[in-house]
Amino acid sequence: GDSVTQMEGPVTLSEEAFLTINCTYTATGYPSLFWYVQYPGEGLQLLLKATKADDKGSNKGFEATYRKETTSFHLEKGSVQVSDSAVYFCALRGPGNTGKLIFGQGTTLQVKP
Amino acid sequence: AAGVIQSPRHLIKEKRETATLKCYPIPRHDTVYWYQQGPGQDPQFLISFYEKMQSDKGSIPDRFSAQQFSDYHSELNMSSLELGDSALYFCASSSHLSGTGFLTDTQYFGPGTRLTVL
Repeated sequence: GDSVTQMEGPVTLSEEAFLTINCTYTATGYPSLFWYVQYPGEGLQLLLKATKADDKGSNKGFEATYRKETTSFHLEKGSVQVSDSAVYFCALRGPGNTGKLIFGQGTTLQVKP
Repeated sequence: AAGVIQSPRHLIKEKRETATLKCYPIPRHDTVYWYQQGPGQDPQFLISFYEKMQSDKGSIPDRFSAQQFSDYHSELNMSSLELGDSALYFCASSSHLSGTGFLTDTQYFGPGTRLTVL
């Protein structure tokens, strides 16, 4: 079945460092891909999405490009801030037209001043 | 802008008790999803509803049931609670494009209900 695999965390960076969180997926067809962020004690917020191959989603300085050839959707940010500390989930829209999301295991990012 | 509302935010129950979680979707959203997130885990899809009908079912135990009402709010009923049911339960909502039946991609999540079973 469809699945998402993320790099294991935690990822610890200094402020202004470059961030990459790897995400690869297995799916039949070409599902929409998403990155969600979960701040401590809060719900899931959509960070960005891409709906077809070569699309680039971007928001708040974060970017991710839908790579069909490598079945990847890696999250990047050029300069992280302490406020970016959170858990990041990569997800895909499951098969069929019901819209359920299939999540990766999440990657914890900790940014130190 | 209005968001997804979940109640209660926190719930503490004893083993074998029952619990009811409520979800109020964003206005004009017709589809509701329930997810369960165990400690340190990724959210797992439980069940979804579209126009008051169950549209998909995931790894939801038989002890759980859910429904969507005419005002589109949804309730997740959990019986014979077990310690392993302790988790964060998220509700999310989305909508279909008017006149097309096409489900939009973006799901908006509520803040979650944290259930603790003692």
